[in-house]
Amino acid sequence: AQTVTQSQPEMSVQEAETVTLSCTYDTSESDYYLFWYKQPPSRQMILVIRQEAYKQQNATENRFSVNFQKAAKSFSLKISDSQLGDAAMYFCAYRNYGGSQGNLIFGKGTKLSVKP
Amino acid sequence: GAVVSQHPSRVICKSGTSVKIECRSLDFQATTMFWYRQFPKQSLMLMATSNEGSKATYEQGVEKDKFLINHASLTLSTLTVTSAHPEDSSFYICSARTAGSGANVLTFGAGSRLTVL
Repeated sequence: AQTVTQSQPEMSVQEAETVTLSCTYDTSESDYYLFWYKQPPSRQMILVIRQEAYKQQNATENRFSVNFQKAAKSFSLKISDSQLGDAAMYFCAYRNYGGSQGNLIFGKGTKLSVKP
Repeated sequence: GAVVSQHPSRVICKSGTSVKIECRSLDFQATTMFWYRQFPKQSLMLMATSNEGSKATYEQGVEKDKFLINHASLTLSTLTVTSAHPEDSSFYICSARTAGSGANVLTFGAGSRLTVL
């Protein structure tokens, strides 16, 4: 069974600085998707960024980028120029490629605080 | 983009009553919907996978008779918590997956906070 591990329960960053959230996963599959979701106090899950395992290039979405190391099964999220609105719980998630179901497997989350 | 509407956002009920939570895909057809439960300060735990027109697939440890899931159309799935008890109090979140392009992305509802007195 696949597992997702986030080893940092809480992280803090100064506004305008850069922070990296860690995520590792375990799978025997070669094709899969990885995601970072943000859950602000409103509890609405918001997709931040996604990565297809077959792509070697790291995904980037504006201030958010990932460092995907497939061999190491590592998928960290870098937030540049942190803003107050980035404060939230961040969940790393895994999903198998294809298949009829495709549910997400989540890590336990990292609570990010942004200091003004 | 795809939008999933979840209703109600908050519900308080007495112990022993049943509560229904609706999950609707507003601008796309959702062949598969997922129901998650989230305890305070914890991650999302998958409860069941609901496929339109067929029985839901429940995760191990989830009581199918207590958490009834119906996915009668391509835009609506419902979760009914039957004979609710205080331990069922939690945050329930649905998500939907399309069959077409972008199927690798799930769209989430805003969640429903259930409090059982």
